[in-house]
Amino acid sequence: DIQLTQFPSSLSASIGDRVTITCRASQSITNYLNWFQQKPGRAPKLLIYAASNLQSGVPSRFSGSGSGTDFTLTISNLRPDDFATYYCQHTYTIPFTFGPGTTVDIK
Amino acid sequence: QVQLQESGPGLVRPSGTLSLTCSVSGVSVDRSPYYWGWVRQTPGKGLEWIGSISFGGSTFYHPSLKSRVAISADTSMNHFSLKLASATAADTGVYYCARIKEGFRVVPQFDQWGQGTLVTVSS
Repeated sequence: DIQLTQFPSSLSASIGDRVTITCRASQSITNYLNWFQQKPGRAPKLLIYAASNLQSGVPSRFSGSGSGTDFTLTISNLRPDDFATYYCQHTYTIPFTFGPGTTVDIK
Repeated sequence: QVQLQESGPGLVRPSGTLSLTCSVSGVSVDRSPYYWGWVRQTPGKGLEWIGSISFGGSTFYHPSLKSRVAISADTSMNHFSLKLASATAADTGVYYCARIKEGFRVVPQFDQWGQGTLVTVSS
């Protein structure tokens, strides 16, 4: 199975901050990498697909980059609605796997 | 507007079969290029893909669950179902159904999700 690691596992940030979350795959997955946001009691919500493509309806302050094994999710100008847990997921080969998550909370 | 809704028992006895259904509205489950999948979130393993079924009925399962899992679709009811046999406490968690957009040179993306349903395996 392809393993995904995320760092940091948690971070504290303030409104207006720029936040970067990293996801690393145990082998190359080209651009088969998606990012999700999850809030307590809610289903994950797709933010970014294919490493850098913004899902329809997602604010442009979210962006993704990377290829191969290293990927980043950046949130520019952090808003109150952005405090949540973020997961990366690869869909390169079966089994699809998710990262362990990064929790963004209020400083 | 596409909507997915999970349903099924919230309590399953150990060694029993966990059975869930995902009702889909706004799109047919046999419409290309969509696949339909199940994902669970457990305290032990976090988010875990369980398996998927294609618009044509082909199934794909997580290797670690393959011996216990079956996913099927009913096009007349426009829903798809999950059966997980020989349930243990480790299967306790929130189960989500999701739509997966697939295709040639398209990175599979889980773009629509149900709200999730909690299943507890306990006597």
